[in-house]
Amino acid sequence: NAGVTQTPKFRVLKTGQSMTLLCAQDMNHEYMYWYRQDPGMGLRLIHYSVGEGTTAKGEVPDGYNVSRLKKQNFLLGLESAAPSQTSVYFCASRGVRDAGELFFGEGSRLTVL
Amino acid sequence: GQNIDQPTEMTATEGAIVQINCTYQTSGFNGLFWYQQHAGEAPTFLSYNVLDGLEEKGRFSSFLSRSKGYSYLLLKELQMKDSASYLCAVVDSNYQLIWGAGTKLIIKP
Repeated sequence: NAGVTQTPKFRVLKTGQSMTLLCAQDMNHEYMYWYRQDPGMGLRLIHYSVGEGTTAKGEVPDGYNVSRLKKQNFLLGLESAAPSQTSVYFCASRGVRDAGELFFGEGSRLTVL
Repeated sequence: GQNIDQPTEMTATEGAIVQINCTYQTSGFNGLFWYQQHAGEAPTFLSYNVLDGLEEKGRFSSFLSRSKGYSYLLLKELQMKDSASYLCAVVDSNYQLIWGAGTKLIIKP
């Protein structure tokens, strides 16, 4: 059982480059989330999705875009990376009937030079 | 604004008991989670409280007082593998999770 899988696990970008982080879940979950985690701060919600074809902004959406074309996949894009986007990114999912428990991917460590 | 407060770091001895506190001020309340996160890894679920009182699960227990905006996580019989960060998160009125910055727990032999 793979659960929530993120790719890539590590990436180094130069300022201005673009990239996409892929999140895939095999638990048939409706809700999917992208968070960033920075030292000394809590997890901050970037964007989320409550179902296939829907997305919504979270707490810190600027500089990011997302798409949920298929229920199992949630993509996070950086169109023009900035050093402030250096962070660890976590994808998470949960089902509608769960007690709200989030299942997390292993994280993607992104460095923008 | 919404706010979750936890101590930044705590130290405890192997075999002992430690209590990690979490206080919150949020727009509405629909439950409180505790997650464990080992360094370099993803958070994993520990407990969920929505009603006042103590929930016990093996060596770990979680307590909630909604009137005080307060929760704690109690870890008994500490083991070295319990060294990790412990994250408190509250579900607000919009069913969004508001996360604390986490408490880094250091276990000494």
